[in-house]
This record gives sequence, C-alpha cells and structure tokens, in this order.
Amino acid sequence: DAGVTQSPTHLIKTRGQQVTLRCSPKSGHDTVSWYQQALGQGPQFIFQYYEEEERQRGNFPDRFSGHQFPNYSSELNVNALLLGDSALYLCASSPVWGGENTEAFFGQGTRLTVV
Amino acid sequence: AQSVAQPEDQVNVAEGNPLTVKCTYSVSGNPYLFWYVQYPNRGLQFLLKYITGDNLVKGSYGFEAEFNKSQTSFHLKKPSALVSDSALYFCAVSHMNTGFQKLVFGTGTRLLVSP
Repeated sequence: DAGVTQSPTHLIKTRGQQVTLRCSPKSGHDTVSWYQQALGQGPQFIFQYYEEEERQRGNFPDRFSGHQFPNYSSELNVNALLLGDSALYLCASSPVWGGENTEAFFGQGTRLTVV
Repeated sequence: AQSVAQPEDQVNVAEGNPLTVKCTYSVSGNPYLFWYVQYPNRGLQFLLKYITGDNLVKGSYGFEAEFNKSQTSFHLKKPSALVSDSALYFCAVSHMNTGFQKLVFGTGTRLLVSP
C-alpha cells in the first residue's frame, strides 16, 4: 500500500504566479482534505473533497481552489501567490464512512516557497 | 468551536526517562482526540486516538495517552523515551461539519530527547 502520495515535494514560485499541487489518497479512501502548515504552526484546514465536490472549507480566500477526480486523487490550486502562502501543504485521506473517529492518513507534504 | 491547546513549545527529556506532552481540549459534545507526530520535512504520522471507553489509550511506538474528562486533557506519555522519539508532536480534535470530519490541530510541541 503506497499510502498518501503528494507531488511535487518542493516547489519555488514567484509572487503573483499560480501553482498546482497533487495528491493521491491511500487505497480505499475516497475523501481528501488539504491542510496548510506555516512554519512553526499546526496544520490549518483548507478544504475537503468527496465525490468530486468540495464538502467543507476552512478560512481561506478564493485564491485557493481544488478539484477531485473520479479516481479520488485531488489537486490544490493557488492563484496570485503571496509571500505568505509559503508553507508545507499537506494532503490527508480518509474513508467517508469512518465518521468522526476515523484517523486521517497524511502525505509527506509539498513545501511551497514563494519568492 | 472545537480547539486544542498545547501549552509547551518544547519538552526536554533524557533518554530512558518517562515523557509527557500535554494537550487540553475544548469541544461541544463527545471529544474525538488524536495524536500525530511529525519528523523533519515529513508529513504527519498517526500515533493514537481516543474515541470512547478506557481512558488510557495505547498507540504506536510505545506511546500512550490518558484521557481526563474532568480536566479536559489528553496528555501523551511514554514510559521510557528514546532519542529517536525527538520530533514535533501535534494534538488534534475531530470536528464534524455537514457530515464530514476535519481535524483541528494544536500548535505543536517539540520533543527533544537527549542521549
């Protein structure tokens, strides 16, 4: 089982550019969540996808958008990058049937640096 | 709103000594609590969770956590620390919204185990 895989592992972008991050969930999982972890902080929930729809969203601007594909993989897009978007972006997957007590499995993250 | 607090930025312990990493929570309803560990430049790894039942929960790598409802705490413990336990530890609470789970994380506690 490959677990949750994310690509790329590192990325450097310039302010104002756009970026796309990718995630493949753990086998058997159909729900994908994205988190932003700024340096020295805990992960912050961005949004969550199930059945190719955004199901809930955290307190992030519309510059952050996503997509889920029929094979459950997901993309996170960030437009008009700001220096403050520099962070580790984590993808987590879980089975929707698991409910509130299900542990989420995390990928290794994508380190985004905006210069 | 659900929240967790990790009052210590860093915990220092000598190898072989017991360790405790503190976490307090604030939730409405039943708490579903988790501990994750993060090694440098890596994603989060699940350690253990509390759902219901026995207040002492056993997890991976010899870690355990004690749920205390009256003190709204969920402290992580290990009887004998290893140098390899040095990492960043996050406490999280599960929050259900529109039928989907999201995790709310604390700010993290860095554990440093000295030889």
